[in-house]
Amino acid sequence: GQNIDQPTEMTATEGAIVQINCTYQTSGFNGLFWYQQHAGEAPTFLSYNVLDGLEEKGRFSSFLSRSKGYSYLLLKELQMKDSASYLCAVLPRGRRALTFGSGTRLQVQP
Amino acid sequence: DGGITQSPKYLFRKEGQNVTLSCEQNLNHDAMYWYRQDPGQGLRLIYYSQIVNDFQKGDIAEGYSVSREKKESFPLTVTSAQKNPTAFYLCASSSTGDETQYFGPGTRLLVL
Repeated sequence: GQNIDQPTEMTATEGAIVQINCTYQTSGFNGLFWYQQHAGEAPTFLSYNVLDGLEEKGRFSSFLSRSKGYSYLLLKELQMKDSASYLCAVLPRGRRALTFGSGTRLQVQP
Repeated sequence: DGGITQSPKYLFRKEGQNVTLSCEQNLNHDAMYWYRQDPGQGLRLIYYSQIVNDFQKGDIAEGYSVSREKKESFPLTVTSAQKNPTAFYLCASSSTGDETQYFGPGTRLLVL
């Protein structure tokens, strides 16, 4: 099975950088996703990591270490609109459906 | 416009009643999924379907049923056997070769 851990809440300041960590334990693994979810809305796709290393996409970057069962999402130049929940999700080997962590609620303050 | 639609946005269920949530996509995706989200929680998989006329139970399938008669449609029925149905229900789809799942806007189910 899969066990995914993320911090429940984080607070950061507008213009700063924040790193949201995700650790997972899985018997088989085909990749890791990050989604953003604003309150009351559906999740939207941010990034997908299959191989070890850093994937950069504008202000957002995602890192994966398969050997350590660890990923992080890095948000730079924080904006107020980045206040949302960030969901880490694992794609298990042999199943197309994702397994989600409980999410990290990020609050960006002025 | 291509996308995933869910209806209704809000749905009320009475005790002992079955209700059906609609999910339609025009992205030509072969796989579709249903998740449930409770307040402050992540998403939990109810059912998923990789091709028409085939579907698999997820982690919390009890009290739910689905059908996949058309590629575009994957309705979810919440039966009276589901004793705690109040939640936010999200439908998603993906295509073979690209495992990214794209979500519909969701249906919020409330029990009267």
